[in-house]
Amino acid sequence: QVQLQESGPGLVKPSETLSLTCTVSGGSVSSGSYYWSWIRQPPGKGLEWIGYIYYSGSTNYNPSLKSRVTISVDTSKNQFSLKLSSVTAADTAVYYCARARPGYFPWGPYWYFDLWGRGTLVTVSS
Amino acid sequence: DIVMTQSPDSLAVSLGERATINCKSSQSVLYSSNNKNYLAWYQQKPGQPPKLLIYWASTRESGVPDRFSGSGSGTDFTLTISSLQAEDVAVYYCQQYYSTPPVTFGPGTKVDIK
Repeated sequence: QVQLQESGPGLVKPSETLSLTCTVSGGSVSSGSYYWSWIRQPPGKGLEWIGYIYYSGSTNYNPSLKSRVTISVDTSKNQFSLKLSSVTAADTAVYYCARARPGYFPWGPYWYFDLWGRGTLVTVSS
Repeated sequence: DIVMTQSPDSLAVSLGERATINCKSSQSVLYSSNNKNYLAWYQQKPGQPPKLLIYWASTRESGVPDRFSGSGSGTDFTLTISSLQAEDVAVYYCQQYYSTPPVTFGPGTKVDIK
């Protein structure tokens, strides 16, 4: 049974970089069948997709966050990671890692999320 | 970006009664070449991550009870819980995956017991 587990600091100072890691157990990030994603949810609010990475290293980011986001994968550790730079209080949220089922239009990919980690709350505050 | 809206914001339904949640997209999410609607539904119970219920607007994920059903096409979609159980108390989200990036979610509908 595949499980995802987020880890990283729960408190980040404004203007610094948020860094989180997702460890995949019971399965492999090297599976070519999935995209590995990050999604966030501000307290009491809705869901925002941040980006995904494929095992090959190819990435796709939300245009609204693209300038500040980097997602990477470490296949040797079966992990993928999120870095979000120049954070502000607006970046306070529960951050989820998730597995996405992909498919392809002639013009590009589509995906939806079939497995989620339990999430980790990251607070941006001095 | 495609904007997703949901109605109502919340609803309270008696145990065993039907619950109906609506989702509307600002553009059609129907791909005419295969007649598929690129729309998913998720359930998020308190303190838990979202769980995939339905994809392709009407295909239940493995293990999801058959009291959950999805319908609709184009821009208007519905999630129906045919007979509400206590364990169905949750927030329900729709998500479009037709126009990407980004995929976008609705704001959620909270379902409670009356």
